Amino acid sequence: DAGVTQSPTHLIKTRGQQVTLRCSPKSGHDTVSWYQQALGQGPQFIFQYYEEEERQRGNFPDRFSGHQFPNYSSELNVNALLLGDSALYLCASSGKGPTSTDTQYFGPGTRLTVL
Amino acid sequence: AQTVTQSQPEMSVQEAETVTLSCTYDTSESDYYLFWYKQPPSRQMILVIRQEAYKQQNATENRFSVNFQKAAKSFSLKISDSQLGDAAMYFCAYRTLRRGNQFYFGTGTSLTVIP
Repeated sequence: DAGVTQSPTHLIKTRGQQVTLRCSPKSGHDTVSWYQQALGQGPQFIFQYYEEEERQRGNFPDRFSGHQFPNYSSELNVNALLLGDSALYLCASSGKGPTSTDTQYFGPGTRLTVL
Repeated sequence: AQTVTQSQPEMSVQEAETVTLSCTYDTSESDYYLFWYKQPPSRQMILVIRQEAYKQQNATENRFSVNFQKAAKSFSLKISDSQLGDAAMYFCAYRTLRRGNQFYFGTGTSLTVIP
């Protein structure tokens, strides 16, 4: 049973560019959440997707957007990259919708470096 | 918004000894979940233990146990018989049952296990 997978593992971009990160949830999970983890900090909630719609959003600007596909996989897009966007981006999945109390499982993350 | 505080940026423990990691949180909610996650250098966030706020009994998972003090809003993690593989960053997390079960993480405690 594959866990949560993310691609790519590492990514280097320059300021002003756009980036797309991808996540495949754990088998049987239908809800995907994205987190940004800056160096030395805990993860910060970006947003959550369920039934192909954004259900909840943290305190992140509109430059951060996402998408969920019918197979429950998800993308995180960041436009107009800033140096401060450099971080580890974590995807987490859970089952039975956003109101479920099921445990959330995390992927290995994508390390984004903005130069 | 809920806040989670981990006041120990770094801790160390001798192999086979016991260590306790501290966590406090701030909330006005009566029902929620608390978690400890472990993040090794490989970056994958791994669930260590979970506690439902409505349960008075402290959760245990093998060598890991918690001391949940709801009135004091305290949630400490005790690791018994510490092993070298326990070395990692440990994050305390609060999960609200509102707003899509969003997680709030502390800033983490880096645990070193001394052989």
